[in-house]
Amino acid sequence: KAGVTQTPRYLIKTRGQQVTLSCSPISGHRSVSWYQQTPGQGLQFLFEYFSETQRNKGNFPGRFSGRQFSNSRSEMNVSTLELGDSALYLCASSLSQGNTGELFFGEGSRLTVL
Amino acid sequence: GENVEQHPSTLSVQEGDSAVIKCTYSDSASNYFPWYKQELGKRPQLIIDIRSNVGEKKDQRIAVTLNKTAKHFSLHITETQPEDSAVYFCAASKNTGRRALTFGSGTRLQVQP
Repeated sequence: KAGVTQTPRYLIKTRGQQVTLSCSPISGHRSVSWYQQTPGQGLQFLFEYFSETQRNKGNFPGRFSGRQFSNSRSEMNVSTLELGDSALYLCASSLSQGNTGELFFGEGSRLTVL
Repeated sequence: GENVEQHPSTLSVQEGDSAVIKCTYSDSASNYFPWYKQELGKRPQLIIDIRSNVGEKKDQRIAVTLNKTAKHFSLHITETQPEDSAVYFCAASKNTGRRALTFGSGTRLQVQP
């Protein structure tokens, strides 16, 4: 069974640009969550999607958005990039609908903003 | 919102020794407490989790204990091996039907051979 796939793995952008990151969950998983990982702030929850609906959103500005498609694939978008957006963006999928159970993480998309 | 504090930030032990990592959480409604291990350059992976109706759970060399009254949970690794070297994250979430983990800041464990 294929794991969670994230693309692109690495990207470099400049301030003011926007970026779109993609996540393909494990087959059969309908819940997709996104986390931002930085050395200073650790792992922070961005949002969660289930059946194409955003179910929960973390404490991030509106520049951060996402969506989920009918095949459970998800994308997140960051507009008007700032230097502080440089981070590893991790996508995780899960089988369960509740708040428990394993999250299966992808290898992440490492974004550098210059 | 929930706040999870994790200590220590770094931990160095000799191979074969035990390692203990401690976390406290702030929201008494939290009911699920997983631990994730992240090796250098790799993705986080679940190593063990505990629900609030259980006080302790073991899986071979690792165990987690939970004290709901004190809002405190700990990871115990016995007979440490060099391959246990990684960053360990504790996390908490509550039963809102939604999946949002609040992670601790991580503990870098170094097992010296």
